[in-house]
Amino acid sequence: DGGITQSPKYLFRKEGQNVTLSCEQNLNHDAMYWYRQDPGQGLRLIYYSQIVNDFQKGDIAEGYSVSREKKESFPLTVTSAQKNPTAFYLCASSIDFQGSANYGYTFGSGTRLTVV
Amino acid sequence: DQQVKQNSPSLSVQEGRISILNCDYTNSMFDYFLWYKKYPAEGPTFLISISSIKDKNEDGRFTVFLNKSAKHLSLHIVPSQPGDSAVYFCAASVSSSARQLTFGSGTQLTVLP
Repeated sequence: DGGITQSPKYLFRKEGQNVTLSCEQNLNHDAMYWYRQDPGQGLRLIYYSQIVNDFQKGDIAEGYSVSREKKESFPLTVTSAQKNPTAFYLCASSIDFQGSANYGYTFGSGTRLTVV
Repeated sequence: DQQVKQNSPSLSVQEGRISILNCDYTNSMFDYFLWYKKYPAEGPTFLISISSIKDKNEDGRFTVFLNKSAKHLSLHIVPSQPGDSAVYFCAASVSSSARQLTFGSGTQLTVLP
């Protein structure tokens, strides 16, 4: 079955550490996205990538970094510069950036990151 | 500034009745709207969408209405079932843009048996 896999499901980070969240898709989608969900707020865009080796900052990119070396993979690194990293992180993909409007996104099941 | 707003954080309805979830937007460039459903600890799943050239789209028990002049859309679920209990997100996009979906803050729907 095609889909998006996020790992790990739960992640604990100590203050000052960098952590990387994995996102892999086998849907042959060109576009991939990272969102953050906080209680009482909508999904806020962190980074997005329309194509391999290209990515753009979203609304809340500070303290995060990404790479897109392969079409299937779009890992997100939460760096120590991110002041409030505790949140639920969602990865998504769409056929292409136009397809995101016409077909919506396919989301992964999310990673809950907690700073301890 | 929130461009997509869901002003009701929660809604409770009786099983079998109609659920109406509302969404307002401020960006007149938005021309495509979607609803997503999310269960706890899972990713959102696409439910239904509507283009700005339409004012209604129906899919089984789910109907989305769009009022462009009021910049308002609503999702109707008839009849509501306990399995519909979830958080519903409204999202909007500019289809010609290379950007992406803008989401509302979500409404928790609880369908009471």
